[in-house]
Amino acid sequence: QKEVEQDPGPLSVPEGAIVSLNCTYSNSAFQYFMWYRQYSRKGPELLMYTYSSGNKEDGRFTAQVDKSSKYISLFIRDSQPSDSATYLCATPANAGNNRKLIWGLGTSLAVNP
Amino acid sequence: NAGVMQNPRHLVRRRGQEARLRCSPMKGHSHVYWYRQLPEEGLKFMVYLQKENIIDESGMPKERFSAEFPKEGPSILRIQQVVRGDSAAYFCASSPLGSNDRGLGWPLHFGNGTRLTVT
Repeated sequence: QKEVEQDPGPLSVPEGAIVSLNCTYSNSAFQYFMWYRQYSRKGPELLMYTYSSGNKEDGRFTAQVDKSSKYISLFIRDSQPSDSATYLCATPANAGNNRKLIWGLGTSLAVNP
Repeated sequence: NAGVMQNPRHLVRRRGQEARLRCSPMKGHSHVYWYRQLPEEGLKFMVYLQKENIIDESGMPKERFSAEFPKEGPSILRIQQVVRGDSAAYFCASSPLGSNDRGLGWPLHFGNGTRLTVT
């Protein structure tokens, strides 16, 4: 079993839709979770990070962690064509140690105008 | 303020040749990380360096791969005697703080990668 699992999609939605992207993880010791966005032929860029359980909101983006079910989510409201990218979830291998991130495979999202 | 700069963007090597990938971190960042991305495997950590020190190379293959981050100049990831399985996108990231500092040193800033093709 991979330590971080993510459905690769692809996911295709109309502009303005609410998008839900999800990952599951296997190690209950994981505490920090990150969402990165990667455009084609570009490097990943950090969107949001959360610690432990709960929600974090930033503009149209909301990150959610449910530690009881080892489930993390990223919601995108009012999705735009510019949101079309691959979304990657990641977590540090050890708490307080960000050098070794463990990544999901990424979910490819297309937002159609 | 320039971001993380990687070059070349694309590199083609024949089997058995050497590949040198360069990474200049963001200004003020002294911690560099190398990751490799393969389509079916995703991003995998390779090595973490500070200036003149390798801190963690647990993700790097034991043979043919080496990395350095000299006092002056960019970080270099070197692959000797390349094989087809080395074909991948190699990403460098930098951060102002490392894992041993107070706090997590977020975020990691990634470059746009070097795409290595071995023919």
